[in-house]
Amino acid sequence: QSALTQPVSVSGSPGQSITISCTGTSSDVGDYNFVSWYQQHPGKVPKLMIYDVTDRPSGVSNRFSGSKSGNTASLTISGLQAEDEADYYCSSYTTSSYVIFGGGTKLTVL
Amino acid sequence: EVQLVESGGGLVQPGGSLRLSCAASGFIFSSYTMSWVRQAPGKGLEWVSTLSGSGVSTYYADSVKGRFTISRDNYKNTLYLQMNSLRAEDTAVYYCAKDLATRANWGQGTLVTVSS
Repeated sequence: QSALTQPVSVSGSPGQSITISCTGTSSDVGDYNFVSWYQQHPGKVPKLMIYDVTDRPSGVSNRFSGSKSGNTASLTISGLQAEDEADYYCSSYTTSSYVIFGGGTKLTVL
Repeated sequence: EVQLVESGGGLVQPGGSLRLSCAASGFIFSSYTMSWVRQAPGKGLEWVSTLSGSGVSTYYADSVKGRFTISRDNYKNTLYLQMNSLRAEDTAVYYCAKDLATRANWGQGTLVTVSS
């Protein structure tokens, strides 16, 4: 039950685009299109930003997009805004029928 | 609208027990897989346990296997987590989630503190 691998931190300036990677294995990210991304501000409940690799729940800005190639999924945020500063977590369904999370990435907007 | 409301958290001594509840509304509860996820203070998200809609299939993280039991009452639309032999490292906010693998909904969480 190893965690998915995410960078510890990323940063970008307002208006720029950033990408957060999420690397798993052929038993999770590589085998299913059930990758989700969450945004969490301090003291708040994680908010679903992307599910099923590329889909956005209603109300989530189209500045957030997801993709996947092989065992690695990615979250891209375009037109970076100050309010995007938060922790981001990826998750994936696994062949063992449970969900695993990444260790989290702290996004800093410079 | 999907609503998930956790309760039952609190302060418990090491070795003690606690039962968490998650009251669900706004969807056909028995049709969905439900899960518990926890987050220790200052740490990341950790999947704890998952239960199928029928209640037949259960899954546990290695860190809680043999100590925690997930269950549900599809008549009361409620999910439970019985936590026994609690340890300091179980201290966390515990969230219940609907359909965690895909378009998930989460509750607000309940804090469990294991300390003497």
